[in-house]
Amino acid sequence: DAEITQSPRHKITETGRQVTLACHQTWNHNNMFWYRQDLGHGLRLIHYSYGVQDTNKGEVSDGYSVSRSNTEDLPLTLESAASSQTSVYFCASSGGGTGELFFGEGSRLTVL
Amino acid sequence: GENVEQHPSTLSVQEGDSAVIKCTYSDSASNYFPWYKQELGKRPQLIIDIRSNVGEKKDQRIAVTLNKTAKHFSLHITETQPEDSAVYFCAASPRQAAGNKLTFGGGTRVLVKP
Repeated sequence: DAEITQSPRHKITETGRQVTLACHQTWNHNNMFWYRQDLGHGLRLIHYSYGVQDTNKGEVSDGYSVSRSNTEDLPLTLESAASSQTSVYFCASSGGGTGELFFGEGSRLTVL
Repeated sequence: GENVEQHPSTLSVQEGDSAVIKCTYSDSASNYFPWYKQELGKRPQLIIDIRSNVGEKKDQRIAVTLNKTAKHFSLHITETQPEDSAVYFCAASPRQAAGNKLTFGGGTRVLVKP
């Protein structure tokens, strides 16, 4: 079955370190998104991509970057982790004729 | 950009009662309004959606209504059951199509008491 997976599921890091969260989907979707989830803020869009070599900033993109070298993967990089980036991160993809987002299981990141 | 407000942030109901969650949006160009349910420790999943050319849509015990003039939409859950306990998110987008960027509300934690 097609799916979307994230790794690692849990990570603890220190302030200033670079962190990369992986997202891999086998839906063959062109569209991929990264959201962060914080209490009271819902899901906020960080970056998104509509296809290979395409990346776009979302509403909370500062301190994050993404790259899209193939259809299946959209890794999210925190260049220099900050405590404010402690959050649960969700990757999602969409394709076909509907707007439904298919979410990964989430990655819980703690920055100490 | 779009701004979506969601109320209440928490909702406690007795099993069998109804639950209503309300959302407002700011961008008059938005015309696609999905609702996602997130059970504890799980990923969000789409439960129902509505487009602006429709005023109401039902699927078994859940229904969504849309008032485009007032820019608000609501989720109604009837005959609530313990498995309805979850966080619900409303969202809005300019179009229903693959690739549309969804702006989410802050979420409503629903607790159904047996």
